[in-house]
Amino acid sequence: GAVVSQHPSRVICKSGTSVKIECRSLDFQATTMFWYRQFPKQSLMLMATSNEGSKATYEQGVEKDKFLINHASLTLSTLTVTSAHPEDSSFYICSARDPAGGISYNEQFFGPGTRLTVL
Amino acid sequence: QKEVEQDPGPLSVPEGAIVSLNCTYSNSAFQYFMWYRQYSRKGPELLMYTYSSGNKEDGRFTAQVDKSSKYISLFIRDSQPSDSATYLCAMSEQQAGTALIFGKGTTLSVSS
Repeated sequence: GAVVSQHPSRVICKSGTSVKIECRSLDFQATTMFWYRQFPKQSLMLMATSNEGSKATYEQGVEKDKFLINHASLTLSTLTVTSAHPEDSSFYICSARDPAGGISYNEQFFGPGTRLTVL
Repeated sequence: QKEVEQDPGPLSVPEGAIVSLNCTYSNSAFQYFMWYRQYSRKGPELLMYTYSSGNKEDGRFTAQVDKSSKYISLFIRDSQPSDSATYLCAMSEQQAGTALIFGKGTTLSVSS
């Protein structure tokens, strides 16, 4: 299957700083990428849908000015957590849809996740 | 009421047991149903994919969808310690549209 990578895998930062997380599709071009957040023992919650070359669509309750998403190329989307606070500590996972592959057009390939800890 | 309900477990079984994992949902517009497996601190990986009602079998895994009852299941036969993971159900309305709605996940532990 298609491969999606994330960087960094783990980050610890001080409260008030900004953190950038990268999501890359390694062997396919992803016109659409998704960003999810997962708290311990909770489900993956969709934060935003990122389309290459256009503004991201945020889910209700997700602050677009706090979670900046950029999808500047077909293989890279970035999530920047601005002015991070301890309550932003979570597991952030991206996924990418491969329009030319997968078992269906809807199949999403997930990255390994980034664990963010804000002190 | 949440859109997708899934018992988080944990579920502990001996090696070789048949495991049954289930999700219920409230949105009758869901048509695409998936099961993902997630190991600790890793991203989910797709296990099974089903469109509409019916059964689908892949090796030791069988997925069932009953749209009339809004109920989906994943069966694992001859469970192995390597099956120990969290299993998430996910569903969507459109094939190429909205993102997936996930259940909370059920943590499974298979002991040898």
